[in-house]
Amino acid sequence: DQQVKQNSPSLSVQEGRISILNCDYTNSMFDYFLWYKKYPAEGPTFLISISSIKDKNEDGRFTVFLNKSAKHLSLHIVPSQPGDSAVYFCAASIQNGNEKLTFGTGTRLTIIP
Amino acid sequence: EAGVVQSPRYKIIEKKQPVAFWCNPISGHNTLYWYRQNLGQGPELLIRYENEEAVDDSQLPKDRFSAERLKGVDSTLKIQPAELGDSAVYLCASSFDGGLAGVGQFFGPGTRLTVL
Repeated sequence: DQQVKQNSPSLSVQEGRISILNCDYTNSMFDYFLWYKKYPAEGPTFLISISSIKDKNEDGRFTVFLNKSAKHLSLHIVPSQPGDSAVYFCAASIQNGNEKLTFGTGTRLTIIP
Repeated sequence: EAGVVQSPRYKIIEKKQPVAFWCNPISGHNTLYWYRQNLGQGPELLIRYENEEAVDDSQLPKDRFSAERLKGVDSTLKIQPAELGDSAVYLCASSFDGGLAGVGQFFGPGTRLTVL
């Protein structure tokens, strides 16, 4: 049972345009959400997060939006740059201190110069 | 600051053979995680350590997998015997106790295991 879903395995966006990556979850107990970025042959690196008490969190070119009623979150990258080409994982957790992350299957983002 | 170190980076073995992976976490990080990432999937937690204690090993297939974290620093993950379905990338991560879930987890580059 996939509790965190990323339905788009891949996405191509032109440089300078907006990249929108989507993520859905099924477990209503999740109250903290994260995006990780992964380059080939490297481990995932933390990108941005959002708590369920918020609906938006922004960090430079990256913004994460959370729609709790729809159990949906999205990552916006504006403007997209070639270095953003990577696999992006959505992850969710329950903030009871066990730090367990449930990851989605990832979306491969390719930025076209 | 050195990141999480894992070795080997790649390992190819025949089925039924044993294999071991090693992880050195970031200095001062008392929490250590082992994840398995199958092809086309996200990482899945196998085991989490708080210092020397395994506090969550519910997803670890204990019939063939074992792990240890002696002295609360380095950790090894072992598979014996390996099966074809164990082919995956094994990721180690570490964090400092008390950090928000996930935000403070730093991942190593992983060990790519291929079982023939």
